[in-house]
Amino acid sequence: DAGVIQSPRHEVTEMGQEVTLRCKPISGHNSLFWYRQTMMRGLELLIYFNNNVPIDDSGMPEDRFSAKMPNASFSTLKIQPSEPRDSAVYFCASSFSGSNQPQHFGDGTRLSIL
Amino acid sequence: DAKTTQPPSMDCAEGRAANLPCNHSTISGNEYVYWYRQIHSQGPQYIIHGLKNNETNEMASLIITEDRKSSTLILPHATLRDTAVYYCIVTEYGNKLVFGAGTILRVKS
Repeated sequence: DAGVIQSPRHEVTEMGQEVTLRCKPISGHNSLFWYRQTMMRGLELLIYFNNNVPIDDSGMPEDRFSAKMPNASFSTLKIQPSEPRDSAVYFCASSFSGSNQPQHFGDGTRLSIL
Repeated sequence: DAKTTQPPSMDCAEGRAANLPCNHSTISGNEYVYWYRQIHSQGPQYIIHGLKNNETNEMASLIITEDRKSSTLILPHATLRDTAVYYCIVTEYGNKLVFGAGTILRVKS
């Protein structure tokens, strides 16, 4: 079975540029999560969707970050404009909805903002 | 969600059982204990979860004390590929995972 697919795996760009990270969840899963991992702050939940609707975006750091889920098989996390402090590994995860369904993670996008 | 406490690191000999402890003394009745692990450069991987009964799957066993204030993840026959950071998470809802620092498990030959 295909797992959660994230693209690109690596992204290097200059500050001020727009960055778009992409995620394809596991087919049939209807909850989707975006996380960010840094050495300083560890792994943090940014936002999660249920049935394509954002449920909790309290972890989104600021207005420069936005996430969309236009359909059940695709989500994007956009940063505009990007800053060096946004450098991190961004993970997408998906699960069946409902309480206590385990999340399945992609291999992440390693983002470097110069 | 209740806070968890894990040792920062542990070593285990290859082929032996790895027993990873987790304290969660403020756990409430509706909260589950989840274990995930993260192998270097990969996304976290779900291992197992439980409420109050002990659980076993193909990867590991989860032993939860009767008062539910602590638990132990057991990898019965650790291999070098089990070297990873192991996270113990307590949450009422599996969709709100809060990751701490975890335990770095080093399996040595």
